[in-house]
Amino acid sequence: GAGVSQSPSNKVTEKGKDVELRCDPISGHTALYWYRQSLGQGLEFLIYFQGNSAPDKSGLPSDRFSAERTGGSVSTLTIQRTQQEDSAVYLCASRKRGGGNTDTQYFGPGTRLTVL
Amino acid sequence: QKEVEQDPGPLSVPEGAIVSLNCTYSNSAFQYFMWYRQYSRKGPELLMYTYSSGNKEDGRFTAQVDKSSKYISLFIRDSQPSDSATYLCASHRAAGNKLTFGGGTRVLVKP
Repeated sequence: GAGVSQSPSNKVTEKGKDVELRCDPISGHTALYWYRQSLGQGLEFLIYFQGNSAPDKSGLPSDRFSAERTGGSVSTLTIQRTQQEDSAVYLCASRKRGGGNTDTQYFGPGTRLTVL
Repeated sequence: QKEVEQDPGPLSVPEGAIVSLNCTYSNSAFQYFMWYRQYSRKGPELLMYTYSSGNKEDGRFTAQVDKSSKYISLFIRDSQPSDSATYLCASHRAAGNKLTFGGGTRVLVKP
């Protein structure tokens, strides 16, 4: 079946511009996560959506970062007034609610963001 | 200090050798442990998933968790050049929680 998809695959922007990154989770997966992967910091959690519950935003690095999930499916991560340190690969993962191996998070290919 | 520590490598082995990868973690609340494989410019792909202490085997892969020493291991038997990738260990607390990753170990299997 189709996996997690993300768009765009690459994004180059100028410092100070806003960007939107999109994630389409696996159909039927109720949980969605955003992570950021950079050379210096490795793979870091940003935000987590589970059903209709309030999202866990504890990993967002600043108030320039926000995310929403519409209709319990597609999610958009928005970065306002981008800075060069925002350059990284932004990864989305989704999970089917349940125990055991269904607790697995499946990752998309990521969006590579470069801020000039 | 990061909650999950992993040697960045690179780890270079000849084809057919056993690859041994390790992570240590500091958070006693971690209950679930995973190993992901990541090829260049691709997303992480789950290899092994274990709950609490013990061993788990899947084909050429064996994962071990020792909660008493907070030590996680992955062994790859009969390594192949296609195993060349970055291997990431990850942990989380309760089911569904956010993952905390190690920095990844780059592995190179030479033909």
